[in-house]
Amino acid sequence: GAVVSQHPSRVICKSGTSVKIECRSLDFQATTMFWYRQFPKKSLMLMATSNEGSKATYEQGVEKDKFLINHASLTLSTLTVTSAHPEDSSFYICSATGPSSGNTIYFGEGSWLTVV
Amino acid sequence: SQQGEEDPQALSIQEGENATMNCSYKTSINNLQWYRQNSGRGLVHLILIRSNEREKHSGRLRVTLDTSKKSSSLLITASRAADTASYFCATVEYGNKLVFGAGTILRVKS
Repeated sequence: GAVVSQHPSRVICKSGTSVKIECRSLDFQATTMFWYRQFPKKSLMLMATSNEGSKATYEQGVEKDKFLINHASLTLSTLTVTSAHPEDSSFYICSATGPSSGNTIYFGEGSWLTVV
Repeated sequence: SQQGEEDPQALSIQEGENATMNCSYKTSINNLQWYRQNSGRGLVHLILIRSNEREKHSGRLRVTLDTSKKSSSLLITASRAADTASYFCATVEYGNKLVFGAGTILRVKS
């Protein structure tokens, strides 16, 4: 099956700094990528949908200035957590899909963010 | 938004037993999907059932769908310790975005 890679898998950053998480589709063109946030033992909460070449669509309650999403190419989307706070610590997962994946949605392995 | 709601939230069984997890959803669907997630890892797609299907099998997995009750169930037969994971149902909303249920944490004891 198709592969979606997330990097880094784990990151620790200091409060007030920004951190970028990358999501790459390795063997298909991802016209759409989704970013989720997951707290321990909880479900995945959709944060935003990004379509290549256009602005991301954020879910209600998600701060777009806090969580910057860029989808500049058909294989890469980035999530930047700006001015990170300890409450931003979470597991972030991306998924990707597109016509060349048969519109099947593939998930990355997730990125653990810890803000200290 | 969370659409699907799973029950039970946690399930602990002995190896060899069957595990049944249920999911309910609120809106009309074209299909419903089940995913598995090992602790701290990404999601693995297990099975998709379309709205015009009532039952689907894949190996030791059996999924049912009752659109009149807006519910689905996932049955894992002859469970193994390696089946220990969280299981989520998900429905597709406008824009091809997956909305997940609360999930069931399954623990299979050997």
